[in-house]
Amino acid sequence: AQSVTQPDIHITVSEGASLELRCNYSYGATPYLFWYVQSPGQGLQLLLKYFSGDTLVQGIKGFEAEFKRSQSSFNLRKPSVHWSDAAEYFCAVGANAGGTSYGKLTFGQGTILTVHP
Amino acid sequence: GAGVSQTPSNKVTEKGKYVELRCDPISGHTALYWYRQSLGQGPEFLIYFQGTGAADDSGLPNDRFFAVRPEGSVSTLKIQRTERGDSAVYLCASSRGLAGAGETQYFGPGTRLLVL
Repeated sequence: AQSVTQPDIHITVSEGASLELRCNYSYGATPYLFWYVQSPGQGLQLLLKYFSGDTLVQGIKGFEAEFKRSQSSFNLRKPSVHWSDAAEYFCAVGANAGGTSYGKLTFGQGTILTVHP
Repeated sequence: GAGVSQTPSNKVTEKGKYVELRCDPISGHTALYWYRQSLGQGPEFLIYFQGTGAADDSGLPNDRFFAVRPEGSVSTLKIQRTERGDSAVYLCASSRGLAGAGETQYFGPGTRLLVL
C-alpha cells in the first residue's frame, strides 16, 4: 500500500527566508507525486506535480520540488518565502499503474507553515 | 471557468440522522473523487467514480456510507445513521481523464459536517 510521511507538523520561518518542506513516500514503483496547499477556508490547490522525466519540478507561486528516488523523497522548496505563503501544505502520492490503488491519492498529515514578518 | 462546487458548505445534524452531501464537478470531467479530512489530518480517500460507476470504493468506512453519480456528472455522498465520529470536512475532487493516468485532481471547498 502507498503511504506518505511529512515529518514536520509545524514550521515557522521569517519572511524572505528559504523554505524546505519534507515529504517521504512509500510505493512499489515510480509514483505520481503532488504538493497541494490549503489556506484557511479554502480548497486544496495544486502547487506542482511529478509524473516522469526531469526530477526537478517547477510549480506555481515560485515553488519547486525535487524527486529523489534513492531517498523516496519529494521535498518542496522556495528560495524566499512571502507572508502570503502561510498555509498548510500536503504532499500526496498516486499510483501510476492498474490495481486497487489506481486513481486515488494518499495524502500526508500536512505541514503548517507560519511566516513571521 | 467554474471549479468544483459542493453544497452545503456547512451541515449540522444530530446523531442518528441521515445526510446528503452534493458535489458538482468541473464540466466535462469524467472522474470524480470523495475524500474525508478530519481535524489535523490529511484528506483520506473514500471513493472514486469513472463516469457513472464506482471504480474504487475501498475507502468507505462502513455500509452507512454510500455515494452515487447516476448521470456521470453530479455526485451525492449519503451517510445514514450519522455518528459523532463522522464529523469532518468532506472534499470532492474531479479530473479530466482516467483516474490515475497522471491527471490532476481539482478540489472543491468541502462540506463541513458536524454531528452533535
